[in-house]
Amino acid sequence: AQSVAQPEDQVNVAEGNPLTVKCTYSVSGNPYLFWYVQYPNRGLQFLLKYITGDNLVKGSYGFEAEFNKSQTSFHLKKPSALVSDSALYFCAVRGYNFNKFYFGSGTKLNVKP
Amino acid sequence: NAGVTQTPKFRVLKTGQSMTLLCAQDMNHEYMYWYRQDPGMGLRLIHYSVGEGTTAKGEVPDGYNVSRLKKQNFLLGLESAAPSQTSVYFCASSYRQTSGLDTQYFGPGTRLTVL
Repeated sequence: AQSVAQPEDQVNVAEGNPLTVKCTYSVSGNPYLFWYVQYPNRGLQFLLKYITGDNLVKGSYGFEAEFNKSQTSFHLKKPSALVSDSALYFCAVRGYNFNKFYFGSGTKLNVKP
Repeated sequence: NAGVTQTPKFRVLKTGQSMTLLCAQDMNHEYMYWYRQDPGMGLRLIHYSVGEGTTAKGEVPDGYNVSRLKKQNFLLGLESAAPSQTSVYFCASSYRQTSGLDTQYFGPGTRLTVL
């Protein structure tokens, strides 16, 4: 079965500090992994995805994610957080059936000035 | 280019009433999806479509029906609304790629309350 886990409901970080939002996955076959961000009262916006190749994936707004096959993880990172990064972040995996995505429960990121 | 739009943005229903949510995309995408978002549960797939005239069940299809009569539109219907269907509904669309490695584009959501 395909699934994604985001172990932290909320992450708090001070502006200017590095941030990490955690994601682990379970999937049959090669994983296709995604991060999306949701601002209040808005739909989800694509940040980045891992298909194959380099384990470090760079995406929008200075975010990057590190794929670790042995730990089945795909953590979202940013070297220096901004207050405007405060939002809800979702990790997703595309399942064996290419037609379906499986989303984590979301992590609320709070960046304080 | 409006992307993915959803109608209506808000709706309040009484138990047993019916309604249809409309999703439209102008990106010529093959695939379209309906999700519901509930606190602490992320997004759960209700139904999806891989092309005009085709639909398939997702994780939580019970109580919902869908239709894809035109490529650009994907309708979600509730025949007899229940309080458990109170949620925020998101539509998404994506290109068809043989590798299946496409990105989804989301609409702004419909907030539905069933009393």
